[in-house]
Amino acid sequence: GPKVLQIPSHQIIDMGQMVTLNCDPVSNHLYFYWYKQILGQQMEFLVNFYNGKVMEKSKLFKDQFSVERPDGSYFTLKIQPTALEDSAVYFCASSRDWGVYEQYFGPGTRLTVL
Amino acid sequence: GDSVTQTEGQVALSEEDFLTIHCNYSASGYPTLFWYVQYPGEGPQLLFRASRDKEKGSSRGFEATYDKGTTSFHLRKASVQESDSAVYYCALSADTNAYKVIFGKGTHLHVLP
Repeated sequence: GPKVLQIPSHQIIDMGQMVTLNCDPVSNHLYFYWYKQILGQQMEFLVNFYNGKVMEKSKLFKDQFSVERPDGSYFTLKIQPTALEDSAVYFCASSRDWGVYEQYFGPGTRLTVL
Repeated sequence: GDSVTQTEGQVALSEEDFLTIHCNYSASGYPTLFWYVQYPGEGPQLLFRASRDKEKGSSRGFEATYDKGTTSFHLRKASVQESDSAVYYCALSADTNAYKVIFGKGTHLHVLP
């Protein structure tokens, strides 16, 4: 079936540094999402992106977070600067449309902030 | 706000046992309800969904029925296999705010051979 790819699979950085997580969504999908899952906890919605704009973001999507998809390439999540509490697995997802449409998830990027 | 509650954090069964994972939701209107399954090292993948009262979703022997009266969408399977071991998430997409999916905490199913 359709695949969402995420690069890298693991990232270890020092607190205060910048990190960019990359997502290659399903090719004909128009809606893109980031979710955050702290170890042992539930997956939580961060942000939804469509047509070059953030449609909705949760309170977890701090000012240090930003998303973009320049020229239809990777959909990225940038954190600048990082904090210890940003350590988590970040899942990217994409969907053809919103609402009842299935979201396809990538395998996640495990971010460790030291 | 909208929410999903899964009461079982961990379930351990033997092969051929009957499975029930409870899911209750809180949302106005008619949310779309989903069951996702996540295998180690992978992202969640959709098992099935249901969008209206009394609709049954099913896939790979798993099934759940949308019950607006009890606000439930319990996952059931008559006979589990070791390969069903995974984390199962109940989720919803609210009909008034469908840009995000709200996930339950997940239920870790261990099926022993």
